[in-house]
Amino acid sequence: RKEVEQDPGPFNVPEGATVAFNCTYSNSASQSFFWYRQDCRKEPKLLMSVYSSGNEDGRFTAQLNRASQYISLLIRDSKLSDSATYLCVVNSASGNTGKLIFGQGTTLQVKP
Amino acid sequence: DAMVIQNPRYQVTQFGKPVTLSCSQTLNHNVMYWYQQKSSQAPKLLFHYYDKDFNNEADTPDNFQSRRPNTSFCFLDIRSPGLGDAAMYLCATSSPATATDTQYFGPGTRLTVL
Repeated sequence: RKEVEQDPGPFNVPEGATVAFNCTYSNSASQSFFWYRQDCRKEPKLLMSVYSSGNEDGRFTAQLNRASQYISLLIRDSKLSDSATYLCVVNSASGNTGKLIFGQGTTLQVKP
Repeated sequence: DAMVIQNPRYQVTQFGKPVTLSCSQTLNHNVMYWYQQKSSQAPKLLFHYYDKDFNNEADTPDNFQSRRPNTSFCFLDIRSPGLGDAAMYLCATSSPATATDTQYFGPGTRLTVL
């Protein structure tokens, strides 16, 4: 079983749609959680951290369920510019350094 | 304004010919990481430095080595590149002192092995 699992998609949605991505992780000791965005042939960029209480940044909402070891990302009012691969990322390291474990990524295509 | 810089952006090498990829950072972060990302796959951590302390992942092949001469620079050396080493190589940094483990990625070096 992969440490971080995502549905690879692709998700094809029209502009303005709401879309949700899910992610599960296997290490119950994982300490921090992130969503990164990666455009084609570019580096991953941090979209948002994910907190236990849930957090929102504009059209993006992230949720964490530690009991179920489940992370989600909700995108409202999708824009064409949201088309990218969304990587679920878990930090499983203890101590001072981060060992990021990346999911395979979920590809989103927003169409006009 | 660039924070994590990687050179070159594209590197072509021949099978078995050693190659060095470079990463530099202006963030003064303690930790620098090297990841390998193959097409349609997740980035995979190869190793990282916490200051001068080198931490190798258990499954990183011996063919991959790294050097960190100072805080700002970190190098990835591939001693004898094989066709299977063709990938995007990503450098990242983080600063535990800031009480966050957010990692900042460079733009990557895309390696082609002929």
